[in-house]
Amino acid sequence: GESVGLHLPTLSVQEGDNSIINCAYSNSASDYFIWYKQESGKGPQFIIDIRSNMDKRQGQRVTVLLNKTVKHLSLQIAATQPGDSAVYFCAENRDYKLSFGAGTTVTVRA
Amino acid sequence: SQTIHQWPATLVQPVGSPLSLECTVEGTSNPNLYWYRQAAGRGLQLLFYSVGIGQISSEVPQNLSASRPQDRQFILSSKKLLLSDSGFYLCAWSVRGSNTEAFFGQGTRLTVV
Repeated sequence: GESVGLHLPTLSVQEGDNSIINCAYSNSASDYFIWYKQESGKGPQFIIDIRSNMDKRQGQRVTVLLNKTVKHLSLQIAATQPGDSAVYFCAENRDYKLSFGAGTTVTVRA
Repeated sequence: SQTIHQWPATLVQPVGSPLSLECTVEGTSNPNLYWYRQAAGRGLQLLFYSVGIGQISSEVPQNLSASRPQDRQFILSSKKLLLSDSGFYLCAWSVRGSNTEAFFGQGTRLTVV
């Protein structure tokens, strides 16, 4: 089965609001996680990553939080824009292989 | 800078026909290379990965095979396609010897009819 999984398959967000996408993983030995964004018909694009020695990492308008106690990570997008509409995947990189969750489709309402 | 090329972008093939999808990486040496398949509305399933020329690891039993004839070239093949082989195929690379992010090509939409 999957080693990472997303909580909700879809998320509808009002433009300008913040988005939160959640992901759970099962292997406590996992030490590196990545969030990808995939637009329709394209390959996934790297958004942000985090290693297990960190709890939080920030990028431009995005923040990833890692809770190792409950094996949960989240992606927060600030001031969501129409261009943020896409499918978001969390992925775990272990032994040089990436394992993906099923993805959350984010739809931004104008 | 590094780039990854994957072709063709779309492909329609009859059942029983052969398949060859090619992926090349530029601007880096000794990359880890990957083939993923994505069914409609689903996540990415790792099919094959390679840490060097001629070194291929298969993640799931299937009707497909992979080869790495050159350092930065990764090929996905089938001798006889099945309907269930339809999907979105993605090639990716990452830096050798480190757990880092992978960079994806633009994908090939394969429809087996």
